[in-house]
Amino acid sequence: QQQVKQSPQSLIVQKGGISIINCAYENTAFDYFPWYQQFPGKGPALLIAIRPDVSEKKEGRFTISFNKSAKQFSLHIMDSQPGDSATYFCAASNGYALNFGKGTSLLVTP
Amino acid sequence: EAGVAQSPRYKIIEKRQSVAFWCNPISGHATLYWYQQILGQGPKLLIQFQNNGVVDDSQLPKDRFSAERLKGVDSTLKIQPAKLEDSAVYLCASSLGGGRGAYEQYFGPGTRLTVT
Repeated sequence: QQQVKQSPQSLIVQKGGISIINCAYENTAFDYFPWYQQFPGKGPALLIAIRPDVSEKKEGRFTISFNKSAKQFSLHIMDSQPGDSATYFCAASNGYALNFGKGTSLLVTP
Repeated sequence: EAGVAQSPRYKIIEKRQSVAFWCNPISGHATLYWYQQILGQGPKLLIQFQNNGVVDDSQLPKDRFSAERLKGVDSTLKIQPAKLEDSAVYLCASSLGGGRGAYEQYFGPGTRLTVT
């Protein structure tokens, strides 16, 4: 049973554009929502995370928007760059294991 | 600060053979996780340790998988005998453990296992 649903599966964005990836969860016990970035042959790297007591968190070009009532959260990558091309995973946790989405393969074209 | 170390990076074995993976977490991290990542999917937890005790192994196929974390530091994950469907990347992660520090998990580079 997939506890976190992620979309789209793949995304192509032009350099300088905005990349948006969406996730939805069911378990209201989740209280930590991170995003991970994974390059081929590497392990996932923690990018940014949010807790449900805030609706938005921004770190550089990366922003998480969180909608507690809808049980949805999204990652926005502003001014997308070719170096951002990677697979992005959302996840949710209640302090134990991370429950991951299936991932979004992002390609930023020059 | 050194990251999570894993070895080997790659392993190819035939079905029914055995294999072992090693992980050394970030220094001071009490919690250690093993995840399985099948191609095209997100990582899935196999087992979680807090120090040298098991917190969650509900998704570990115990008829063939085993894991230990002696002395509460490094850990070994073993598969015996391997099946074709075990082909995946095995990721080790660690976190400080306890309270809110348990939330931030840092991953190693993974071991890519191919079972033929």
